[in-house]
Amino acid sequence: QKEVEQNSGPLSVPEGAIASLNCTYSDRGSQSFFWYRQYSGKSPELIMSIYSNGDKEDGRFTAQLNKASQYVSLLIRDSQPSDSATYLCAVLKTSYDKVIFGPGTSLSVIP
Amino acid sequence: SAVISQKPSRDICQRGTSLTIQCQVDSQVTMMFWYRQQPGQSLTLIATANQGSEATYESGFVIDKFPISRPNLTFSTLTVSNMSPEDSSIYLCSAGSPTGVTDTQYFGPGTRLTVL
Repeated sequence: QKEVEQNSGPLSVPEGAIASLNCTYSDRGSQSFFWYRQYSGKSPELIMSIYSNGDKEDGRFTAQLNKASQYVSLLIRDSQPSDSATYLCAVLKTSYDKVIFGPGTSLSVIP
Repeated sequence: SAVISQKPSRDICQRGTSLTIQCQVDSQVTMMFWYRQQPGQSLTLIATANQGSEATYESGFVIDKFPISRPNLTFSTLTVSNMSPEDSSIYLCSAGSPTGVTDTQYFGPGTRLTVL
């Protein structure tokens, strides 16, 4: 089992719709969870971090964490063409050991 | 947040040569990391650069191939040695400082390496 898994893409949604990105992780002791956005040819950009069970909202983005299910998700409301990118789920293992990245999900928002 | 710069931003190198990539952070950070991103792939951690001690390498990466320096809390270098075309990738430096629960990691712009 891979340490961090994401739903396979590419994911296509129409403009204005909700995009849902999912991620599961294997280390039950993981403390911190991140979503990065990466445009083609660019480095990853941190867009959300979440540390406690429940929802965390920031503008059009909502991260959801369920540690019991070892599951974290990212919802993008009112999706825009500028949201088209690869979204990387990352998990900080215990004791700030290291951050492990999932394979990424490519999102395409169709005008 | 930390602002991270990398040099060079890109390079084209010949097989068998070595390239050293520099990473500079605008503030002191405890942890610095080096990642590789091969075309169409996600990020793979190469090593953790420890200040004052040898780097900690992940499985599949060795010091002879990827020597790392960390002379202080704001700077690190990664050398890609005896390069082959398989080393063509983007190399990313990242940094973070443990703050308890809310640890976060930031990335430099990356170095795009092409080996001929």
